[in-house]
Amino acid sequence: RKEVEQDPGPFNVPEGATVAFNCTYSNSASQSFFWYRQDCRKEPKLLMSVYSSGNEDGRFTAQLNRASQYISLLIRDSKLSDSATYLCVVNEGGSYIPTFGRGTSLIVHP
Amino acid sequence: ETGVTQSPTHLIKTRGQQVTLRCSSQSGHNTVSWYQQALGQGPQFIFQYYREEENGRGNFPPRFSGLQFPNYSSELNVNALELDDSALYLCASSLGRGRPELNTGELFFGEGSRLTVL
Repeated sequence: RKEVEQDPGPFNVPEGATVAFNCTYSNSASQSFFWYRQDCRKEPKLLMSVYSSGNEDGRFTAQLNRASQYISLLIRDSKLSDSATYLCVVNEGGSYIPTFGRGTSLIVHP
Repeated sequence: ETGVTQSPTHLIKTRGQQVTLRCSSQSGHNTVSWYQQALGQGPQFIFQYYREEENGRGNFPPRFSGLQFPNYSSELNVNALELDDSALYLCASSLGRGRPELNTGELFFGEGSRLTVL
């Protein structure tokens, strides 16, 4: 079983749609969680950290469910510019070594 | 931009050859991690360096080796290249190893070195 699992997609949605991605992790000792965005043939960049209480940044909402060991990313009012791959990242406690999922591809079309 | 620079950006090698990839970390960052990203996959952790010592290693064979220098820049060396080594190699620097109060966990990536093995 992979440590961090994501549905690779692609998720193909129209502009203005709401889309949600989930990511599951296997290590219950994991302590910090992130979503990164990666554009085609570019490097990953931090989108947002995921806090236990959940957090929101504009159209993006991230949530953590420790009991079920998954994190989620919700994108409201999708824009064409949201088209990218979204990578789920998990840090084990104290390791400082982030583990990446394979990413979920999002395509937003007009 | 992140301030993390990698070189070369693209290179082509043949099976059996050796390659060295270089990374300059963002100013003030003391930790460098290397990742291999094959097409359609997420970045796979190779190893991490902190203060010139290897701090962790992923599931890669010994022909993948690295160094970190006193200025925190780093090298990734791959010997006896195989076709499956063709990938994007990403370097990421981070702050706070040894300073947990500063460590947000964020990784700052360079643009990567795209290696093709023929």
